[in-house]
Amino acid sequence: GENVEQHPSTLSVQEGDSAVIKCTYSDSASNYFPWYKQELGKGPQLIIDIRSNVGEKKDQRIAVTLNKTAKHFSLHITETQPEDSAVYFCAASLNSGGSNYKLTFGKGTLLTVNP
Amino acid sequence: ETGVTQTPRHLVMGMTNKKSLKCEQHLGHNAMYWYKQSAKKPLELMFVYNFKEQTENNSVPSRFSPECPNSSHLFLHLHTLQPEDSALYLCASSQATGLGAFFGQGTRLTVV
Repeated sequence: GENVEQHPSTLSVQEGDSAVIKCTYSDSASNYFPWYKQELGKGPQLIIDIRSNVGEKKDQRIAVTLNKTAKHFSLHITETQPEDSAVYFCAASLNSGGSNYKLTFGKGTLLTVNP
Repeated sequence: ETGVTQTPRHLVMGMTNKKSLKCEQHLGHNAMYWYKQSAKKPLELMFVYNFKEQTENNSVPSRFSPECPNSSHLFLHLHTLQPEDSALYLCASSQATGLGAFFGQGTRLTVV
């Protein structure tokens, strides 16, 4: 099965700085990589995703990059704001049989943006 | 509001109780999931339903019993739970399995 490693487990930045969270995956057949943001007391929220046929995707202050050869993908947040403080999870999707796919999640990164 | 609603938000139950968690989605999605989230662990996939059929049971103990009467509703029936089952239980849905899932707010379960 798939194994997803996520680093760092905690990240503290000053408001306005950039934050980068990195994930690696083990199965080269994984083809879809979403990122989630989870605020305290809430469920994870999908914030951006990327498919294996794309190397980079950007949505305002967040971007995701994918290196299929190295089997790693990263989340980049620019001009961080205090409301970006949350736990961020990466995930990788792999076919689990027939037409079914399975998401495997990383352990999460607690991002703190200090004002 | 993600379009996935879970009830109750909080639940405290004894080890001999029977209770059920409910999930409802109004997104027209075909796949629904139950996840368990414990402190300092990755999200653990428990069950997957695709077009109302269970396609994945991730070695979950039989004291957790899922039910999917239609593609909009998902239940998790609980009985004779253990204290280590205390966690946040998250329901999610997606258009197809493995795609970006939309999560509910979760049910915080405490087993005493």
